Amino acid sequence: DAGVIQSPRHEVTEMGQEVTLRCKPISGHNSLFWYRQTMMRGLELLIYFNNNVPIDDSGMPEDRFSAKMPNASFSTLKIQPSEPRDSAVYFCASTFRDRGYEQYFGPGTRLTVT
Amino acid sequence: DQQVKQNSPSLSVQEGRISILNCDYTNSMFDYFLWYKKYPAEGPTFLISISSIKDKNEDGRFTVFLNKSAKHLSLHIVPSQPGDSAVYFCAASRGGGSNYKLTFGKGTLLTVNP
Repeated sequence: DAGVIQSPRHEVTEMGQEVTLRCKPISGHNSLFWYRQTMMRGLELLIYFNNNVPIDDSGMPEDRFSAKMPNASFSTLKIQPSEPRDSAVYFCASTFRDRGYEQYFGPGTRLTVT
Repeated sequence: DQQVKQNSPSLSVQEGRISILNCDYTNSMFDYFLWYKKYPAEGPTFLISISSIKDKNEDGRFTVFLNKSAKHLSLHIVPSQPGDSAVYFCAASRGGGSNYKLTFGKGTLLTVNP
């Protein structure tokens, strides 16, 4: 079975540009999470969805960040405009709602904003 | 303010010996705790969990101990194997079974030497 799929795996962009990260959760999973990992702050939850509905977006750092889940098999995290401090590894994870603590992570997208 | 702390950034042990990874938390509302393992260039993978109603949970070579009065948990790996070399993240939740928002520590890099 395919795991959580994220694209791109690496993204290098210039400050001010729009960045879109993509995630395909495991088929049948109904909860999806976006995380960001940095040296300073570690792994932090940005937003999570249950049945495509955003439940908690309190971790989204600024209005420059937005996330959508138009259907059960696709989600995007958009940063517009991007800034150098957004450089990090962004992970998407999914799970069954009944086993929400045991989350399955994708390989991550390493974002570098110059 | 870090609510979940892993004070040892790294740990090195010999193959066959015990590895003990420690984690402290400050939020007394946390009621579910997990350990995730992460290899380079991969996302974290779920390892083992424990509810606050227990003080020990065992799964093969992995045992997690919870001391609620001290707000401390530990992961024991016995015997340690070179394939266990990875970053280990401690995570906590206060959901009581319905909120899957995880707060992660910054991780401990375990190196198991042959």
